[in-house]
Amino acid sequence: AAGVIQSPRHLIKEKRETATLKCYPIPRHDTVYWYQQGPGQDPQFLISFYEKMQSDKGSIPDRFSAQQFSDYHSELNMSSLELGDSALYFCASSPVGTGGTEAFFGQGTRLTVV
Amino acid sequence: GDSVTQMEGPVTLSEEAFLTINCTYTATGYPSLFWYVQYPGEGLQLLLKATKADDKGSNKGFEATYRKETTSFHLEKGSVQVSDSAVYFCALRGYSSASKIIFGSGTRLSIRP
Repeated sequence: AAGVIQSPRHLIKEKRETATLKCYPIPRHDTVYWYQQGPGQDPQFLISFYEKMQSDKGSIPDRFSAQQFSDYHSELNMSSLELGDSALYFCASSPVGTGGTEAFFGQGTRLTVV
Repeated sequence: GDSVTQMEGPVTLSEEAFLTINCTYTATGYPSLFWYVQYPGEGLQLLLKATKADDKGSNKGFEATYRKETTSFHLEKGSVQVSDSAVYFCALRGYSSASKIIFGSGTRLSIRP
């Protein structure tokens, strides 16, 4: 079965650089979520999209932005990277109009800022 | 706002021991409840879920029952294996479309042979 695809799996950037993380949801899933997980931490919600519109916003820094495209894939753009942005970034998707069901997570992108 | 509180770890058990990881939640309405598992270096995998009160989710020998009266969703397994070593996250999701998933702080489980 198709799963959530994230790319790249690993990314190393220097401070003040920019990074773009991509997420391809499961086909026919209309909702995408982004989470950030620091070392030894629980996943923290960043932002979500429903039908290509931002639906909720969490603890996402102003330096980050995201969008969902017409084919439902999503990109998380991160600028002026800081050492503290080093983390595992997860994307998740959930099916059409089904609140209360689970979200399916990708394998994550491990971002290291040096 | 909605929140999840789970038993702090790490938890270390011997193989074949009984496991309980406590989880309680605070939410408006009737959320769905989940246990996700994260193996070292991997992503989050759904272990089991329950969508309404008194539902029991089960998978791979793990079980959890949605208890509305105690707002709990404790994870149990009768006989753990070394391969169960991982971090376990209790989580909830509200019923409205596009509700985000809210995670507890995670419990690291280590099973020794």
